[in-house]
Amino acid sequence: AAGVIQSPRHLIKEKRETATLKCYPIPRHDTVYWYQQGPGQDPQFLISFYEKMQSDKGSIPDRFSAQQFSDYHSELNMSSLELGDSALYFCASSSTGQPYYEQYFGPGTRLTVT
Amino acid sequence: AQTVTQSQPEMSVQEAETVTLSCTYDTSESDYYLFWYKQPPSRQMILVIRQEAYKQQNATENRFSVNFQKAAKSFSLKISDSQLGDAAMYFCAYRMDDKIIFGKGTRLHILP
Repeated sequence: AAGVIQSPRHLIKEKRETATLKCYPIPRHDTVYWYQQGPGQDPQFLISFYEKMQSDKGSIPDRFSAQQFSDYHSELNMSSLELGDSALYFCASSSTGQPYYEQYFGPGTRLTVT
Repeated sequence: AQTVTQSQPEMSVQEAETVTLSCTYDTSESDYYLFWYKQPPSRQMILVIRQEAYKQQNATENRFSVNFQKAAKSFSLKISDSQLGDAAMYFCAYRMDDKIIFGKGTRLHILP
């Protein structure tokens, strides 16, 4: 079965640079979620999109922005990167047409800021 | 605010034995979903089991089962016949609206 695809899987950037993370949800899933997991931490919700509209927002820094495109893929844009942004970034997707609105997680993008 | 608390940062269990991971949560909602996720060394987040709050029957998935005590706001995970592949970080989680709120996790070690 198709899963959530995230690219790139690993990314190394320097401080003050910009990074773009991409997420391709499971086909026919209409909702995308972004989570940030710092080293030794639990995942923290950043933002979600339903049918290309922002549906919920968590503790996402103003330096970060995200959007969902017409093909339902999503991109998380991170500017003025800081050392503290080094983390594993998960994307998850779900379908409002399925029970439980279960979120399926992608493999994550590991971002290292040096 | 909804919170999820896992009081056991680490646990160890002998292979083939049974282990229980504890979780408590706080919510003012009456209908909600609870989850246990497994995160092995690969860091992939894998859903182990889910529980709907309106269901009194405890969820079971093969060797994994939960003890859901709604009044006590307790949601523990029991792993029977532990296997080496069960070694991972386990997160208890609560779904609030769209987002999932995770506990701090319990690292489970399986001793051969």
